[in-house]
Amino acid sequence: DIQMTQSPSSLSASVGDRVTITCRASQSISSYLNWYQQEPGKAPKFLIYAASSLQSGVPSRFSGSGSGTDFTLTISSLQPEDFATYYCQQSYSSPRTFGQGTKLEIK
Amino acid sequence: QVQLQESGPGLVKPSETLSLTCTVSGGSVSSGSNYWSWIRQPPGKGLEWIGHIYYSGSTNYNPSLKSRVTMSVDTSKNEFSLKLSSVTAADTAVYYCARYYYGSGTKEYFDYWGQGTLVTVSS
Repeated sequence: DIQMTQSPSSLSASVGDRVTITCRASQSISSYLNWYQQEPGKAPKFLIYAASSLQSGVPSRFSGSGSGTDFTLTISSLQPEDFATYYCQQSYSSPRTFGQGTKLEIK
Repeated sequence: QVQLQESGPGLVKPSETLSLTCTVSGGSVSSGSNYWSWIRQPPGKGLEWIGHIYYSGSTNYNPSLKSRVTMSVDTSKNEFSLKLSSVTAADTAVYYCARYYYGSGTKEYFDYWGQGTLVTVSS
């Protein structure tokens, strides 16, 4: 199985801050990397596919980059609704696997 | 807009079989570019892919659960189902159904999710 490791596991930030979350794969996954946002008590919401392509309707303050084993999710200017948990997920091989999550909290 | 809705018992006894159904609306399970997936999340923990099924009945299961998982699809009802046998307390989780889009190149992702249903394994 491909292991996905996110860092940090939690992050405190303020509205307006720029934040970056990192996701590392245990082997190369090309650009088969997706990002999801999960608010407490809700289902994950799909944000970014193929490492850097924004899903329709997702605000442009979200961006993704990377290929191979190292990927990042950046939020350029945090909004109150962005405080949630973020997961990366690889679609390179089966079983599909997720990172352990990064909880973004209000400072 | 595709919508998915899980249904099934919220409480299952240890050693019994967990059974859930996902009803799809606003789209067809027979759509060729989609696989229909189950994902679970133990309380306070991360996401685990259980497996997925194609409308033809072809399946792909997570090896960690493969011996206990059975998925099926009913195209006439536009729904798909999960059975997980011999459950223990470790199977207590929120179970999500989701659509897995299988596009060209690197375009593969879980784009639509159900709201999730909590299944507790307890006597």
